[in-house]
Amino acid sequence: GAGVSQSPSNKVTEKGKDVELRCDPISGHTALYWYRQRLGQGLEFLIYFQGNSAPDKSGLPSDRFSAERTGESVSTLTIQRTQQEDSAVYLCASSLRGSITYEQYFGPGTRLTVT
Amino acid sequence: AQSVTQPDIHITVSEGASLELRCNYSYGATPYLFWYVQSPGQGLQLLLKYFSGDTLVQGIKGFEAEFKRSQSSFNLRKPSVHWSDAAEYFCAVGRTLSGGYNKLIFGAGTRLAVHP
Repeated sequence: GAGVSQSPSNKVTEKGKDVELRCDPISGHTALYWYRQRLGQGLEFLIYFQGNSAPDKSGLPSDRFSAERTGESVSTLTIQRTQQEDSAVYLCASSLRGSITYEQYFGPGTRLTVT
Repeated sequence: AQSVTQPDIHITVSEGASLELRCNYSYGATPYLFWYVQSPGQGLQLLLKYFSGDTLVQGIKGFEAEFKRSQSSFNLRKPSVHWSDAAEYFCAVGRTLSGGYNKLIFGAGTRLAVHP
């Protein structure tokens, strides 16, 4: 079946512009995660959605970052007034449930470059 | 706070040689441990995981890892490396929070190069 997909694959934007990154999880997966991967670093947790529960936003680095998810489908990560330090690969993952026993499946990521 | 350390940023091995990638974690409770591989242009793929039980776990692509509580380590091994194993490898610890979900904390990764 189809895996996690993300769009766009690459995004170049000017400092100060807003960007939207999209994630399509695997059908039927109730849990969805966003991570950020800066060059030469590991993945940094940003936000987690589980079904209709309130999302865990504890990893969002500033109020310029926000994310939405419609039910158990598509999620959008929005970065407002982008800064150069926002340049990174943004990865989305989904899992059947949010429990530790369920594997997270990752998308290929969106590479964001802020000039 | 939980953390994961991968001491080796880059490793180069010859094809057919054995491989060991190091991972040390800091976690107060019984950890849930994972190794992921990220090939160029690909998303992360789970190689193996440890939750409990046998401390030697087998994964896909011929990889294995051993959990050593006394050393707070979860090193990844492969007896004979193939050129297609060239990739970046991430160790992660899963933290179970109230609400039952697994927050993964990743190490910085080890980039593996394979010489023919």
